[in-house]
Amino acid sequence: QVQLQESGPGLVTPSQTLSLTCIVSGGSITSDGSYWSWIRQSPGKGLEWIGHTYYGGSAYDNPSLQSRVSISLDTSKNLLSLNLRSVTAADTAIYYCAKNYCTGGSCYSGDFDSWGPGTLVTVSS
Amino acid sequence: DIQMTQSPSSLSASVGDRVTIACRASQSISSYLNWYQQKPGKAPKLLIYAASTLQSGVPSRFSGSGSGTDFTLTISSLQPEDFATYYCQQSHSIPFTFGPGTKVDIK
Repeated sequence: QVQLQESGPGLVTPSQTLSLTCIVSGGSITSDGSYWSWIRQSPGKGLEWIGHTYYGGSAYDNPSLQSRVSISLDTSKNLLSLNLRSVTAADTAIYYCAKNYCTGGSCYSGDFDSWGPGTLVTVSS
Repeated sequence: DIQMTQSPSSLSASVGDRVTIACRASQSISSYLNWYQQKPGKAPKLLIYAASTLQSGVPSRFSGSGSGTDFTLTISSLQPEDFATYYCQQSHSIPFTFGPGTKVDIK
């Protein structure tokens, strides 16, 4: 299993952009079949899948976030990034990066078996 | 979006008890159903995928069943380390969605 570690500011001002990175170690973000997701957890909305991307492909995000999301990979640094624009207090949450489960040459895009420890982001002025 | 519900939302049980948690999807998801365990301050941990396949390293007292819209997670004999919150999640279609969770605590 790869190891994931999120980082970014713990406090973001309303209407600004939340930017997080996730360093991946123990494996390459370019691995075939690997999907890299962002997931958040808040007391009010529980666990919410934000979106995912994969090497050489497109990113997909949750329509509930109204096109405010950008997810990308940096192959030179082996990391993934999240930008969430126009944040409000409702975006306050613990943000996790996660990788899908792969076994025996098969990968399952929506099964998350590697997670970072999470980073708390508070949106407040 | 596919909505996931779980019941009960919480339960109290003793070590050695058999525990069953139900999960329902708002439409058929075949067997694209995962179960996670989360302890306070930690990220969720994948226990079961494809409704009934135990993730490597997960004790055999955990089992999953179901298909279509109705699923069950069973812990055959609850151990002290099993007190946690359990979530189901559908991986049938984007956006992937999670249930609200079932908290298992000590009676």
